[in-house]
Amino acid sequence: SQELEQSPQSLIVQEGKNLTINCTSSKTLYGLYWYKQKYGEGLIFLMMLQKGGEEKSHEKITAKLDEKKQQSSLHITASQPSHAGIYLCGAGNTDKLIFGTGTRLQVFP
Amino acid sequence: DVKVTQSSRYLVKRTGEKVFLECVQDMDHENMFWYRQDPGLGLRLIYFSYDVKMKEKGDIPEGYSVSREKKERFSLILESASTNQTSMYLCASSSGQEVLFFGSGTQLSVL
Repeated sequence: SQELEQSPQSLIVQEGKNLTINCTSSKTLYGLYWYKQKYGEGLIFLMMLQKGGEEKSHEKITAKLDEKKQQSSLHITASQPSHAGIYLCGAGNTDKLIFGTGTRLQVFP
Repeated sequence: DVKVTQSSRYLVKRTGEKVFLECVQDMDHENMFWYRQDPGLGLRLIYFSYDVKMKEKGDIPEGYSVSREKKERFSLILESASTNQTSMYLCASSSGQEVLFFGSGTQLSVL
């Protein structure tokens, strides 16, 4: 079965700093999804990547899928307190999604 | 705006009680899912459904059942709640292989 490993598990950064979160799959990814979760709430969809080498950006968040389609990274530029939360990657090759264990991000002033 | 609504944000129940968690979506999605989320374990799929009156077991179905009598509603049932079922429960829906949309979650505590 496919497994997703995220790193780091936890991240504390100062406001304004850049950061990167990684997601590595045990199998080839056919669709990679990034979600953000505010503490105690549901998941909010950020981006979806499907093609090897694909890169998407939304505001200050950029996600990439490597050429081999087994690893994805999420990069936040000039972090803000509003970026705080749990970031999860999800993957699926059917209608069912599996998720990584998440990366908890804290941004302090 | 798409919407997945879970009936309760917080719920406290006693061991042995029968618990119903309700989820309603207004997007006419075929697929609906129930996950639980625990620290260090991430999201784990309990049950999912591709159509009305249809259900499939996920990775951790033990101790749970589901009901999908109408397309928009997917209920998770804990037949006899136990303390190890204390968790955050998340409902989601999707259409085909598209993005999952999640509800706000229900934090269930079983005492």
